[in-house]
Amino acid sequence: EDKVVQSPLSLVVHEGDTVTLNCSYEVTNFRSLLWYKQEKKAPTFLFMLTSSGIEKKSGRLSSILDKKELFSILNITATQTGDSAIYLCAVVVRETSGSRLTFGEGTQLTVNP
Amino acid sequence: NAGVMQNPRHLVRRRGQEARLRCSPMKGHSHVYWYRQLPEEGLKFMVYLQKENIIDESGMPKERFSAEFPKEGPSILRIQQVVRGDSAAYFCASSPTSGGAYNEQFFGPGTRLTVL
Repeated sequence: EDKVVQSPLSLVVHEGDTVTLNCSYEVTNFRSLLWYKQEKKAPTFLFMLTSSGIEKKSGRLSSILDKKELFSILNITATQTGDSAIYLCAVVVRETSGSRLTFGEGTQLTVNP
Repeated sequence: NAGVMQNPRHLVRRRGQEARLRCSPMKGHSHVYWYRQLPEEGLKFMVYLQKENIIDESGMPKERFSAEFPKEGPSILRIQQVVRGDSAAYFCASSPTSGGAYNEQFFGPGTRLTVL
């Protein structure tokens, strides 16, 4: 059974702190790994990672994938209260009928002023 | 280009009633995915459909749940004889293709189902 595990499950920091969110996976037929941010609505796409060692960046967010050790991290620097959300990691798995996502449980990030 | 649309946004049903959730994919997208998010849990895959075909329903409960994506019109997730445990947020996502290496799914706003 495919498994995606995120840690920590919840995290409380102060504005300006840097956080690192972890995602490890055990799946067959890995294709790519996706990070989403979920506030009180549908998840919004952050990053897609397919190759090891190549960092993706968007403003204060960055992410990298290690396909040998089967994990990814999402970094957020200089956190702001608007970063408070659930961060979801999902792995795209290739199947004979196509591909689909398997999600982790998410990390609840709370950024206090 | 409108995003993925879901309706209703909120749905309240009494135990034993039927719930119908609708999803219109983004323009040009022919692949639809349904996910369920139970309180305090992550997103769980339910079913993957293409037009007129169910491709993967491995995440669907064996009873009471069904999904369709007709040639014309939105995809529908149908829950018969709802129970309190069906209360959850149901998200629909769509993608233009499932076969490529760079698959990205775009999510709708979700339907929050409450069973009284």
